[in-house]
Formats: sequence, C-alpha cells, structure tokens
Amino acid sequence: KAGVTQTPRYLIKTRGQQVTLSCSPISGHRSVSWYQQTPGQGLQFLFEYFSETQRNKGNFPGRFSGRQFSNSRSEMNVSTLELGDSALYLCASSREKNTEAFFGQGTRLTVV
Amino acid sequence: GENVEQHPSTLSVQEGDSAVIKCTYSDSASNYFPWYKQELGKGPQLIIDIRSNVGEKKDQRIAVTLNKTAKHFSLHITETQPEDSAVYFCAASTNTGKLIFGQGTTLQVKP
Repeated sequence: KAGVTQTPRYLIKTRGQQVTLSCSPISGHRSVSWYQQTPGQGLQFLFEYFSETQRNKGNFPGRFSGRQFSNSRSEMNVSTLELGDSALYLCASSREKNTEAFFGQGTRLTVV
Repeated sequence: GENVEQHPSTLSVQEGDSAVIKCTYSDSASNYFPWYKQELGKGPQLIIDIRSNVGEKKDQRIAVTLNKTAKHFSLHITETQPEDSAVYFCAASTNTGKLIFGQGTTLQVKP
C-alpha cells in the first residue's frame, strides 16, 4: 500500500514569489491535513480538508491557502513568500478526523 | 488556548535502558493522543496512539499511559536500541481532528 506522497521534495523560491505544494494521500483516505515544521515553532497546523471542503483552519495568514480535489489529492499554496516561510511542509492523511494520521516525507521550502 | 507541553527536550540513555517522555495537554476535550517518531530527513511516523477511554496501551517495547484527570500522557520505551534514536513528538486532538503537537524530545541511545 503506497504511503502519502508529497511533491516536490525540495524547493527554493525568492521572496515575493508564490509556490504550490502537492500531496497525494493514502488510497481510501479522505482527510488531508497540512502542517508547517520549523525549528523554532515546531509542528503547527495549517488546515484540514475532507471531501473537497476545508473543515478546519489554523492561525496562519491568508497567504496560505489550500484545496482538495475529488480524488482526495490536495494542494497548498503560499503567495507573496517571506523569508519566515522557509520550513518543512508536511501533509498527513487519514480516513476520518481523530483516526490514525500518516505523514508524507514533506516538502522542504527555502525562501531566499 | 490549546497547548501541549512535552518534557524533556533531550534525553540520553544507554542501550538497554528505559526511556520515558511526558506530555501535558490543556484542552480537557482532547480525546485522541498519538505519538510520532521522526528521523532525520523523514516525516513523522506514527508509533502508537491512545484514546481517552483507555488508560494504557502496549505494543512490544513501547507503551503509552494516559491520566485524564491530570491531563498527562507518557511514552515508555523499554530495552532501548540505537535505532530508537530520533525525535519523538506527542500530540493531542479533540473532535476537530486538529493535532496539537508538543515541542519534541530528541532521544539518543548510546551503544
């Protein structure tokens, strides 16, 4: 059974640009959550999607957005990148909320 | 607000010893408590979880205990091995499904 796949693994972007990250969940999982991981702030919740609807949102500015497609694949977008957006972005999939959540390997974003 | 405190931040043990990591959560509505292990360059890997209707759960060398009254939960690893060296995260969630993570514990197992 394939795990959670995130692409790309690494990205380098310039301040002010925008970026789109992709996440393919485990087959049969309809819930996809996104987290930002930094050394200073740890793992912080961005948002969660279920059946193409955003069900939950963390405390991040509106520059961070996401969507989910009918096949449960999800994308997150960050516009007007700032240096502080440099982080490991992790996606987790689960069958339903409060069930086992499995993480992908993450996308390492560096903003220069 | 929602918060999970995790201690210690670093833990060094000799191979074969036990390791204990403790977490405290603030939201009394929390009902699901997973533990993750993260190795360098990888995403967090779920190693064990516990629900609020259970006090203890064991899986081979790993066990988790939950004290709902005190809002504490702990991870116990027995007979530690060098491959147990990693960063361990506790988390708590309510029915929203949002996981609130602790700050992580770097475990070093010395051969």
